[in-house]
Amino acid sequence: NAGVMQNPRHLVRRRGQEARLRCSPMKGHSHVYWYRQLPEEGLKFMVYLQKENIIDESGMPKERFSAEFPKEGPSILRIQQVVRGDSAAYFCASSPSGAGNTIYFGEGSWLTVV
Amino acid sequence: GDSVTQMEGPVTLSEEAFLTINCTYTATGYPSLFWYVQYPGEGLQLLLKATKADDKGSNKGFEATYRKETTSFHLEKGSVQVSDSAVYFCALTRTQGAQKLVFGQGTRLTINP
Repeated sequence: NAGVMQNPRHLVRRRGQEARLRCSPMKGHSHVYWYRQLPEEGLKFMVYLQKENIIDESGMPKERFSAEFPKEGPSILRIQQVVRGDSAAYFCASSPSGAGNTIYFGEGSWLTVV
Repeated sequence: GDSVTQMEGPVTLSEEAFLTINCTYTATGYPSLFWYVQYPGEGLQLLLKATKADDKGSNKGFEATYRKETTSFHLEKGSVQVSDSAVYFCALTRTQGAQKLVFGQGTRLTINP
């Protein structure tokens, strides 16, 4: 795709378990974004991070969801105590810096809650 | 707030037909505009973009022109192929301030041989 690596590609969790989704941005990119795509819907912005900082989390649900982008390692989107409504495709994207740069997407992580 | 409205789908065409997928936007300032394509079971791929008024983005035979006067960015292709079957998303992002994409709802396109 464009070099943004996400894993796992598919994840099945039972209700109440935790889901962790990982994203390694393209080489040289310091900005990471997470989007969620519910079935048959468009993508909705969740959170925007730079290394060790959350810049904009206006799209994140207030409870159970958290995101981080540590100094070393991938960005992590964490969903605690998953519910059926969390079943969706979660896309990570990255860009080299802030406003005005093209955002490149990974292939997505499909979460299914049973 | 910022928003993107796309032509509702699904759209079904025959091979070699002319394609138009309408996209209009509402935004403050001067956003950058994008078309992304999503093939079945895959992530989004950037198809084309335009960053200022009257710019034309083009790729793989697809074109879209940034029309500020009509706040539109319609996607066109002169002769579609079966392999163009996918979901197409129009999106915008601010060129100033914190960057995040605002997507339209997507238009599913099916091309029949």
